[in-house]
Parts: sequence; structure tokens; C-alpha cells
Amino acid sequence: DAKTTQPTSMDCAEGRAANLPCNHSTISGNEYVYWYRQIHSQGPQYIIHGLKNNETNEMASLIITEDRKSSTLILPHATLRDTAVYYCIVRVGSSNTGKLIFGQGTTLQVKP
Amino acid sequence: DVKVTQSSRYLVKRTGEKVFLECVQDMDHENMFWYRQDPGLGLRLIYFSYDVKMKEKGDIPEGYSVSREKKERFSLILESASTNQTSMYLCASSRTGAANYGYTFGSGTRLTVV
Repeated sequence: DAKTTQPTSMDCAEGRAANLPCNHSTISGNEYVYWYRQIHSQGPQYIIHGLKNNETNEMASLIITEDRKSSTLILPHATLRDTAVYYCIVRVGSSNTGKLIFGQGTTLQVKP
Repeated sequence: DVKVTQSSRYLVKRTGEKVFLECVQDMDHENMFWYRQDPGLGLRLIYFSYDVKMKEKGDIPEGYSVSREKKERFSLILESASTNQTSMYLCASSRTGAANYGYTFGSGTRLTVV
């Protein structure tokens, strides 16, 4: 199973872009990179996912390197409500039934 | 608004009790999952199910069992609760062929076994 490595914690100033890195050097060709976040005392929330190309949605952007060994989640204008634990996950198993394996994640603290 | 609903937000049970944690989803998802979350250990997969009456062990199934009699409902059972099962329990669901879909999580059940 491909594993991910993330920094334990990061700080970001409110209104600035938050860039959260993730290493997944053993990722295989058909595995997707998913990002979730968990705000205190809530269940994890899906943010974005990608395979090869960069992706953007209303919440964030995902930049995946050409060799797919690392990726960066970008929150373009961080707010205090973005303070959370962010999980980078590589999806294991078949495309139909792959399960998510969570690591420790990065605790992002957005400061005023 | 689609969602995953866990029956209890907080639960206190005694050691040795049989405990049922219920999870219901209204999205017609085929796949359902039970995780537990503990400080310093993150989220760990207990059991999952790809279809009605099907179940597979996750990474830490010992002391737990599950039931999926209907597509929308996935129950986690602690046959004889112990204090080391005090934890936050999270249920999730996803669609089959879900390479293009995320998981939807419930809000969690914080179980305390005394």
C-alpha cells in the first residue's frame, strides 16, 4: 500500500494561501490522491482528489508533480475556519472498492 | 443535503455490555465503513462492507463485529465492551466505482466504557 508523509503541523496567516505538502513516493499508476480535513470534534470532510492532472474546486486546488511522487493542497485564501487536521491519502485497492487509510495528517493553524 | 447519520453523539456503557453503534446513509451508497479515532493513532479502519450482507475486516477488527442487513444501514457491535474500546467511532459511505467520488463521514459517536 502506498503511504504518505506529511508535516505534523503548519501555520498560516489569515487571508494568505495555505500550501500543504504531501509525499507519496511509492504511489502506483492507478492510485488516486485524496485530501480530507477534520475540524475538531467532527467527521472528516472530503476536499479534493486527483490522479495525474492538477485539480481545482470551490474549496481548494491540488497540484500533483509530474512523477506523481508528491502533491500540494492549496487553500487560496485561508480563513480561521480552515483550522483543521488535513489528511493526504492514497487510495488503495481496486477502483470499485478501495478503502481509505488515514495517516496522522497535518494540523493547520490559521492565525489572525 | 445528503448525509451519514450516526445514532448517538455520546454514549456511556459499562464494561461487559453489548453495544450497538448504528449508522444510516441516505445516498444509496454501496460501500460503508467503520473507523475509530484515538489521540496519537489517527483513524483506523475496523470493518467495511461492499454490499448488503457482505463484510470485510479492516486493520483492527478484534473485539468488534458488524451487520449490514439493509443497504442504508451498517451497524458496529461490541460484543462485550471493554475500557480499551473507549474511543470516537466514525462511520463513512461511498459509491462503488468511487475512484471519482469521495467518502462521506458521519459526525461520530464518542463512546466511553466505564
